[in-house]
Amino acid sequence: GAVVSQHPSWVICKSGTSVKIECRSLDFQATTMFWYRQFPKQSLMLMATSNEGSKATYEQGVEKDKFLINHASLTLSTLTVTSAHPEDSSFYICSAYRLVGLYQETQYFGPGTRLLVL
Amino acid sequence: GDSVTQMEGPVTLSEEAFLTINCTYTATGYPSLFWYVQYPGEGLQLLLKATKADDKGSNKGFEATYRKETTSFHLEKGSVQVSDSAVYFCALSDQPNRDDKIIFGKGTRLHILP
Repeated sequence: GAVVSQHPSWVICKSGTSVKIECRSLDFQATTMFWYRQFPKQSLMLMATSNEGSKATYEQGVEKDKFLINHASLTLSTLTVTSAHPEDSSFYICSAYRLVGLYQETQYFGPGTRLLVL
Repeated sequence: GDSVTQMEGPVTLSEEAFLTINCTYTATGYPSLFWYVQYPGEGLQLLLKATKADDKGSNKGFEATYRKETTSFHLEKGSVQVSDSAVYFCALSDQPNRDDKIIFGKGTRLHILP
């Protein structure tokens, strides 16, 4: 089946530093990728839609200057948390669209990246 | 707005027990409904889906029926195995051909004891 990877799987950083998380589609090309955030015992919340070759579309309430998204190729999207603070500590999950039929696309999810900001 | 509510966990069952995880939804239109499963250390995987009322999605012994009258999509399995231990997410999407803007429930952690 389709595989989406994330790197790193977990990261600890100091407050004020920036952290980059990679999302790769390993065996298919994805023009669209998504970034989600999940707090403990909460549902996944869509942060932004990442489109290859264009600017990301952010959901309401998500700071685009804080969460920089770059979809530089058909297999890679990156999320950079700039000037991270403890409240940014969370579980970040990406997903990638794959065409599974003539008119059907479905999302394949990565395993997630746990970020802890001290 | 659209939302999904599922039973809180963790749910702990013995092997071969019957499983039900309740899920209800609120939506203005006619959404597609999904169950995703997340095994330890892995990404979410689509377990089953249903796209219209009275549809039954099934996979790996799990079933869920799209009940429009009760706005529910409960997940059931007749005999669970230890390998079913995971977190299960109920979800919906308003897009008919693209699983776009998926709205997830909070997830239910399932523990199966041998």
